[in-house]
Amino acid sequence: KQEVTQIPAALSVPEGENLVLNCSFTDSAIYNLQWFRQDPGKGLTSLLLIQSSQREQTSGRLNASLDKSSGRSTLYIAASQPGDSATYLCAEGFQKLVFGTGTRLLVSP
Amino acid sequence: DAGVIQSPRHEVTEMGQEVTLRCKPISGHDYLFWYRQTMMRGLELLIYFNNNVPIDDSGMPEDRFSAKMPNASFSTLKIQPSEPRDSAVYFCASSKPGQVTGANVLTFGAGSRLTVL
Repeated sequence: KQEVTQIPAALSVPEGENLVLNCSFTDSAIYNLQWFRQDPGKGLTSLLLIQSSQREQTSGRLNASLDKSSGRSTLYIAASQPGDSATYLCAEGFQKLVFGTGTRLLVSP
Repeated sequence: DAGVIQSPRHEVTEMGQEVTLRCKPISGHDYLFWYRQTMMRGLELLIYFNNNVPIDDSGMPEDRFSAKMPNASFSTLKIQPSEPRDSAVYFCASSKPGQVTGANVLTFGAGSRLTVL
C-alpha cells in the first residue's frame, strides 16, 4: 500500500527566498506524482503533474522533480512571495490519488 | 465554467441526523471523486465514479455512508446516521483523463465543512 509523507509539516521563510518542499513515497512503482496547493477554506488547485517516465516539470517559478529510485519528489519555489503562502500537498496515483499530509508554507514580507 | 460546485458549504447537525452533501462536476468531466479531509488523517478518497458508475468505494468508512451519481451533472454523499467522528471537510473533485498523459488532473470544489455535535 502506497504511503506518502511530507516533511516538514510547516515552513516559514522571508520573502524572496528560494525553497524546497519534500515528498516521499514508499512504493517506487508509481503512476504519476502531482503537486497541489490548498488555500485556507478552499479546495485544492493542481500545480504540476509529473508522469512516471519524466524527471521534472516546470511552471513559472515552480519546478517539481521526481526520483523514483529514492522514492522522492521535490517542489522548488523560486523567489518566494507572500502570495505563495498556502499548504502544499503531493499525491501519487492514476485515478486513485494517495495524498501526503501537506507542508504549510508561510512567506513573510 | 463555474468549476466544481458543492453544497452546502457549511453544515452543523446533531448526532443521529441524516446529512446529504451535493456536488455538481464540471461539464464534460467523466470522473467524479469524493474525498474527506481531517487534521488526523489528511485527505482520504472515499469513492469515485466513472461515467456515473461507482468504480471503487473501498474508502467508504462504514455502511452509514452512501454515494450516488444519478446523472453526469449531479452526485450526492449521504451519511445516515451521522456521528461526531464524521466531522470533516468533504471535497468533491472531477476530471477527465489528459489526452497526452492519460492522467487525471483533478479540479476540486471548495468543500463542505460538516460538524456533527
